[in-house]
Amino acid sequence: DAKTTQPPSMDCAEGRAANLPCNHSTISGNEYVYWYRQIHSQGPQYIIHGLKNNETNEMASLIITEDRKSSTLILPHATLRDTAVYYCIVRVKDTNAGKSTFGDGTTLTVKP
Amino acid sequence: NAGVTQTPKFRVLKTGQSMTLLCAQDMNHEYMYWYRQDPGMGLRLIHYSVGEGTTAKGEVPDGYNVSRLKKQNFLLGLESAAPSQTSVYFCASSYAYRTDTQYFGPGTRLTVL
Repeated sequence: DAKTTQPPSMDCAEGRAANLPCNHSTISGNEYVYWYRQIHSQGPQYIIHGLKNNETNEMASLIITEDRKSSTLILPHATLRDTAVYYCIVRVKDTNAGKSTFGDGTTLTVKP
Repeated sequence: NAGVTQTPKFRVLKTGQSMTLLCAQDMNHEYMYWYRQDPGMGLRLIHYSVGEGTTAKGEVPDGYNVSRLKKQNFLLGLESAAPSQTSVYFCASSYAYRTDTQYFGPGTRLTVL
């Protein structure tokens, strides 16, 4: 699985959009981009995933660049409850590997 | 629908003691995983299972054993606990050959003295 690079921390004002970047320059053609988050002392929570098209669900939007070497997770209206560590991982879907190592992620702090 | 549950939530062991962590899921998922999380290290995969009766090593398998005798349960064993195994352990499960979205349990905080 390709490695990812994320900034260690970011701040965002409550009610504003939070844009979390992720670099995955060595991503291969069959690898998907997944985003999870972990609120303090809880298990990680799935947010969204995508291959090459932009994706949106009730939690967030995922923007993947045309060359797929980077992506941005967008929380459109951040709330205090969105304060968490956000993990970007890339992996091949539908394989027997099942391997998924999460890096250090980005600590997002939403401020009033 | 309880999702993924872990037992126990907290445990303190002495060096050399053994214990088993239990993970249970009620979503009929094929895949199950055990991770450990240490400060500054992110989540690291210990072992995983792609189905009942099968297990495989992850990134940091040494010192741990696992068993998947029933589809809904995935056990993580520490035969002789060491202080280096002090960590928070997370179990997860996912469908096979579908979205591969992982659902995580609440974690077990283990301290080895």
